[in-house]
Amino acid sequence: DTAVSQTPKYLVTQMGNDKSIKCEQNLGHDTMYWYKQDSKKFLKIMFSYNNKELIINETVPNRFSPKSPDKAHLNLHINSLELGDSAVYFCASSQDSSGKQYFGPGTRLTVL
Amino acid sequence: AQSVTQLDSQVPVFEEAPVELRCNYSSSVSVYLFWYVQYPNQGLQLLLKYLSGSTLVESINGFEAEFNKSQTSFHLRKPSVHISDTAEYFCAVKNRQAGTALIFGKGTTLSVSS
Repeated sequence: DTAVSQTPKYLVTQMGNDKSIKCEQNLGHDTMYWYKQDSKKFLKIMFSYNNKELIINETVPNRFSPKSPDKAHLNLHINSLELGDSAVYFCASSQDSSGKQYFGPGTRLTVL
Repeated sequence: AQSVTQLDSQVPVFEEAPVELRCNYSSSVSVYLFWYVQYPNQGLQLLLKYLSGSTLVESINGFEAEFNKSQTSFHLRKPSVHISDTAEYFCAVKNRQAGTALIFGKGTTLSVSS
């Protein structure tokens, strides 16, 4: 079974649209994350939730809104998509403070 | 705040040659250190990590990294690479406090050719 799964794997959409990416982990972890990997492959944290509570919120446009319905899910909703939002978005989860994070396969978002 | 510098953006090597991917970090607090690998069109996989104890850590596929506190480095090495090692390698640090995120370097592309 996949430990951290994301849907969809690919997402192509027009500027101005609203879209969501879903993430689920079956590891029983308390903490989940969203990272963005840009075209130069640079990875940067966007958000982190611990037990459904937002604990990290980096400098991200408020068009991005994470939602955690339960501790196994962390979804990312993006309003009014822009060309610069094109990237690969990775979800991850971890259990303890040691930092070992399990990553999902990524969602490649292309905004046209 | 923490930061990570990977000194080489691309490292081309021939098969069976040794390789070193360099990583330096900056932090005002104690951190954990990691190397992640990303194969083409895939997600990130943990390669190895330093939490405490022995400063030399090894992975199951022949990579090793050594934590050097005085030089604030965590270089990754392999004595003999394979073509299948071709991938993007990311060094990362994490504040030891629970709930903090990984801070990644910009990555090093390792290209192994025959």
